[in-house]
Amino acid sequence: DAKTTQPPSMDCAEGRAANLPCNHSTISGNEYVYWYRQIHSQGPQYIIHGLKNNETNEMASLIITEDRKSSTLILPHATLRDTAVYYCIVTYGSSNTGKLIFGQGTTLQVKP
Amino acid sequence: NAGVTQTPKFRVLKTGQSMTLLCAQDMNHEYMYWYRQDPGMGLRLIHYSVGEGTTAKGEVPDGYNVSRLKKQNFLLGLESAAPSQTSVYFCGWTGYEQYFGPGTRLTVT
Repeated sequence: DAKTTQPPSMDCAEGRAANLPCNHSTISGNEYVYWYRQIHSQGPQYIIHGLKNNETNEMASLIITEDRKSSTLILPHATLRDTAVYYCIVTYGSSNTGKLIFGQGTTLQVKP
Repeated sequence: NAGVTQTPKFRVLKTGQSMTLLCAQDMNHEYMYWYRQDPGMGLRLIHYSVGEGTTAKGEVPDGYNVSRLKKQNFLLGLESAAPSQTSVYFCGWTGYEQYFGPGTRLTVT
C-alpha cells in the first residue's frame, strides 16, 4: 500500500472550512484514497473515500488531483466537534482484504 | 457499531499473564481485524481474517495469536503479556467500509 504524508497539526476557526492536505505520490492506479478520523481515543470513524473523481457526502468533500498524487479533505463548516486526528490512507479498499495502514495523521484543532 | 461488541473495555495484567480479547458480531461480516494503538501513534494492524477459519498476520503480529473458529467471533490472545503490549486494542470489520469498535485499554505492569 502507498505511503501518505500529512501535516502533523492544523488549526481552523469554528464555522470556517477546514482543508486537510495529503500527499500520496506513490499511489497505484487501483488504490483508493480513504479518510478516517479519530475523536479523543475512540475507534476511528470512516469519513469518505475516492478513486479518481471528487466525492462529497454529508460529512465532507474529497478533492483528488488529476495525477492522483495528492488530495484534500474539506470539512465545509467546521465545528468544535470536528476536533480530531484525521488519517489519510491509501489502500486497495474493502474489495481486497481491506487492510488499512495508518500513519500519524493530522491533528485538527477547531477553535471558537 | 450496532451488532458488534468488543470485550473487555479495560484490563490490567501482570507480566506473564495471559488474556483473550473478543470481538463479536452478528452482522455476517467476512473481514475482521485487530489493531493496536500506542500513545501518539496511528493504529497498527496485528492480525486479520477474511473469513471463518482463516487468519493472517498484519504489521505487528509478534506476541499475539488469533482465532476465527466461528464467523461471528474474532479472538485476540496474549499468551504471556509484556509491558510493551500496553496499548489500546481496536477490533475492526468491513461492512460497507471499515468500522471500529470502542477499544480495549490494556495495561501490563
